[in-house]
Parts: sequence; structure tokens; C-alpha cells
Amino acid sequence: DAGVTQSPTHLIKTRGQQVTLRCSPKSGHDTVSWYQQALGQGPQFIFQYYEEEERQRGNFPDRFSGHQFPNYSSELNVNALLLGDSALYLCASSLVGMSTEAFFGQGTRLTVV
Amino acid sequence: GQQVMQIPQYQHVQEGEDFTTYCNSSTTLSNIQWYKQRPGGHPVFLIQLVKSGEVKKQKRLTFQFGEAKKNSSLHITATQTTDVGTYFCAGLLGSARQLTFGSGTQLTVLP
Repeated sequence: DAGVTQSPTHLIKTRGQQVTLRCSPKSGHDTVSWYQQALGQGPQFIFQYYEEEERQRGNFPDRFSGHQFPNYSSELNVNALLLGDSALYLCASSLVGMSTEAFFGQGTRLTVV
Repeated sequence: GQQVMQIPQYQHVQEGEDFTTYCNSSTTLSNIQWYKQRPGGHPVFLIQLVKSGEVKKQKRLTFQFGEAKKNSSLHITATQTTDVGTYFCAGLLGSARQLTFGSGTQLTVLP
């Protein structure tokens, strides 16, 4: 039983570029949440997807967008990258929201230069 | 704004000593979850507390949820080098569906 898988594991982009990160949830999970974790900080909630719709959104600009597919996998898109977007991006899957245990993927380390 | 505070930010202990990290919220929490993140790794779920005053134990780890459901603590008895990592609390604030994480306590265990 595969856990949460994310791709790619590492990525280097230039300011102004766009990036797409991917996440496959744990088998049987239907909810995907994305987090941004800066170095030395706790994960910051970006948004959550359930039934292919954005259910909840954190305090992130519209440059951050996402999508969930019928197979529950998800993408995080970030446009017009800034140096400050450099972080570890974590995907977490759970069953119908976050009132149950969340399983995190290994994350994608994004570096913007 | 609503947030979850966690102290201390760093803790160095000698192997065998005890360790405690505290989590406080300005808002009542629906539940509190605890995660451990090893250096270079991702958060791994440890436990969830839901009831006011709840106490749960996992071997050397004891988790408590405050009576007012605004604070929580994690206590490790007789730390081992395998306990090294950053411990995060994360709570559902009120009726929110998103987990709000604390800033974490980075534990170093000296052999």
C-alpha cells in the first residue's frame, strides 16, 4: 500500500517562472491538503481539495492554485515565482477533511533563484 | 489572527533526561494532533486528542489536552537519541477544516 507520493523531490526555478508540483494521496484517501514549510518553521496551510473542489484556503495569494483529479491526485501550481516561494512543499492526504490523521508525503524542495 | 504557539523553540537535553513541549491556542481547538519531523524528513503523525482533559500515552510519550481545549503538551520520559527531531502540534481551530501548525520544538538529545 503506497503512502503519499510527491514529485518531483527537488526543483530549481528562476524568478518569474511557473511551477507545477504533483501529489498522489494514500490509497483510500479522498482529501488532499497542501502546505508550505519554510526552513525552521511549521507547515503553513495553502489549501485543501475534496471532490475536485477547493474546500478551504489559507492566507496565500492567487498565484497559488491547485487542482484535484477524479482519481484524487492533486497538483499545486505557483505562478510568477518569487525568491520567497523557496520552501518545502508538503502534500497531506486524509479522509474527508483533517479531523483524522493526515499522512504527509516526502515533500518537494523548491528553490527559486 | 488565530494561531497556535509552541514553546520552547529549541531544547537540548542529555540522553535519559525528560523533555516537554507546550502548545497554546488563542482559540478553542476541535482537536489537537502531534507530529514528529526528523531532520530532512516530513511530518509523521503521532497522536490525536479530541476530548477536554484527555491524556494518552505511547510508551515513553505522554500527551495531554487541556480542560479548556486551548492547550496541549507532549512529555517524553528518559529521552533517547532516536527522539531527535522537531515536534509539532497542529489543531483544528473551532469549526475550521484546516490544520494550523505550531512553530515546532526542535529536540536535540546529547549522548
